[in-house]
Formats: sequence, C-alpha cells, structure tokens
Amino acid sequence: DGGITQSPKYLFRKEGQNVTLSCEQNLNHDAMYWYRQDPGQGLRLIYYSQIVNDFQKGDIAEGYSVSREKKESFPLTVTSAQKNPTAFYLCASSIQRVTTSTDTQYFGPGTRLTVL
Amino acid sequence: RKEVEQDPGPFNVPEGATVAFNCTYSNSASQSFFWYRQDCRKEPKLLMSVYSSGNEDGRFTAQLNRASQYISLLIRDSKLSDSATYLCVVIPASGGSYIPTFGRGTSLIVHP
Repeated sequence: DGGITQSPKYLFRKEGQNVTLSCEQNLNHDAMYWYRQDPGQGLRLIYYSQIVNDFQKGDIAEGYSVSREKKESFPLTVTSAQKNPTAFYLCASSIQRVTTSTDTQYFGPGTRLTVL
Repeated sequence: RKEVEQDPGPFNVPEGATVAFNCTYSNSASQSFFWYRQDCRKEPKLLMSVYSSGNEDGRFTAQLNRASQYISLLIRDSKLSDSATYLCVVIPASGGSYIPTFGRGTSLIVHP
C-alpha cells in the first residue's frame, strides 16, 4: 500500500536532548512538509522540501533541522534549542513541487512528542 | 488579522441536522481552497476541494465567495460519524510558491 509513515507514534524525551522524527513516503511525491500542531491550534509549517537536497524554512523553523537526502525520506530533528517542543508533529507530502495551487497534501499519522 | 480564520465551535447538533461552517481568509489573491477533516488525535484527511462554482459530494457542499473572501462547508443529514474537527485550508499565491495555510479548525459534535 502506498502512503506516508511516521515513527514512532509516541516519543518521550528529556529536556535538552535532540530527537529525530522519521517520515517516509512511497507515493513518489516530490514535495514533503513538516507541521506542528498544538492543542486547539491549526497546523504551523516548520520546514518544507520541494526536491531532494533542497529545503526551505517555514513559519516556525527555529530550533528544528531537516534533511532531504532521498526522495522518500524527510526526517525532522527537534533540537535542544526548541523552547517548547512538546506537540503533535505531522509530516505531509504532495505530488509536485510547490508550484501549483491545486495540489493537495496527504498526511502521515503523526508523532506525539513529549519532553519531560 | 489572521490569514485564515474559523469559529472553533464546538457546534453541537443532533443527528439529522444541517450544519454550516464558514472560513474567512485575508489574502485576496488566494488561489485554491480545501476542507480537511481531522478526527481526535489523528492526522488531517482531505474532505473536498472548493471550486469557484461550488461543489457537492453526497451530503457535503462547499462554496466559495471571493467577493467576501470566505468559503463554507454545509453538511446535511448529520451523522454521528461526522463528529470531528474541520480544517479550512487556503493556498495563497506568493512568488510562485504555493504553501497551504491552515485554519485552527471548527469542532463538530453530532449527538443522538
């Protein structure tokens, strides 16, 4: 089955530790995105990538880093510099590079990160 | 003013009721519009796109009003399974890069 997978589903870390969230897609999509969702809030864009080896900052990139070494994979690292990292993290992908306004996004199941 | 605004609700309706949500957007150059559904503690899933002429999918009808800069979602004959949060998504036109902007969502609770 084609889709987007994120692992793990739940993640607990101590304050001050870096943590990497996995996102893999086998949809052959060019574009991938990372969002953060806090309770009662909308999705906020952290980073996006339109093509392998290229990525752009979103609205709240501070304290996060990403890589896009393969088309299928877009891991997100939450660094110790992120002041309030506890949140629901969602990865998404879309068929094309972000050059068409009609393209829709498909989401992975998300990772709930709790920093203790 | 926020780019995309939605009434968070919750809208509490009985089964069989008709309910409508609105979503306003601030960027008049916005190109595309979508409604997503998000169940509790799950990922958002595309419900429907919103076309200029309006579109219908079963019990769901979406409309766009460019003059007043809002989109709407109408749900007829509500089912218990319609209980969820409905996210409005707007794609603005910005320098050739079309990054979606999400509203905070409207919560719908359908009760027996």
